[in-house]
Amino acid sequence: SQQGEEDPQALSIQEGENATMNCSYKTSINNLQWYRQNSGRGLVHLILIRSNEREKHSGRLRVTLDTSKKSSSLLITASRAADTASYFCATDGSTLGRLYFGRGTQLTVWP
Amino acid sequence: DVKVTQSSRYLVKRTGEKVFLECVQDMDHENMFWYRQDPGLGLRLIYFSYDVKMKEKGDIPEGYSVSREKKERFSLILESASTNQTSMYLCASSPFRTGGMGYEQYFGPGTRLTVT
Repeated sequence: SQQGEEDPQALSIQEGENATMNCSYKTSINNLQWYRQNSGRGLVHLILIRSNEREKHSGRLRVTLDTSKKSSSLLITASRAADTASYFCATDGSTLGRLYFGRGTQLTVWP
Repeated sequence: DVKVTQSSRYLVKRTGEKVFLECVQDMDHENMFWYRQDPGLGLRLIYFSYDVKMKEKGDIPEGYSVSREKKERFSLILESASTNQTSMYLCASSPFRTGGMGYEQYFGPGTRLTVT
């Protein structure tokens, strides 16, 4: 399967702490993306990192990619209660632009 | 801002009914996708389309069909709804991938379908 796998499945932290989520995948990729989903809503794209990049930042988000280990991590710094959501990684290793999503990490940030 | 809209947020249908889920995007994207999302299973791709009248099966196409007569509209059809098709259905669109460059997908708000 080309599906990514997020770890942990669930993460619970206090406001102000950092949250780290990991994603592992099995096949070669062109890029890896992270998405966020608030309860009962559609997914929202957060960040895309290409296979020739090692690190990328966007606001409080930091994504790393290690293609030799076939893994990526998403770090959210200084978490807020509003960051409570599910986070998904998605890999793009095929033609035609389809993505392979993992099962997600449920992040809960307590005030 | 890219906007992807889905015809209903909530839908309740009876077993055996023919169900149409509509998705419209306003950014002239070539690619459109239909996923279903179930607890513990993540997003699973049902069908996608990379051009008008073109379609490709995803990972779970059984029991579904699709139609793309216009670039902005992608319909998911449940020919004869069954209770195991109760799920959240998500539509997405993206520009066509060129030269190895992938693009992000833009999602609609989802349709929660219940089949009784």
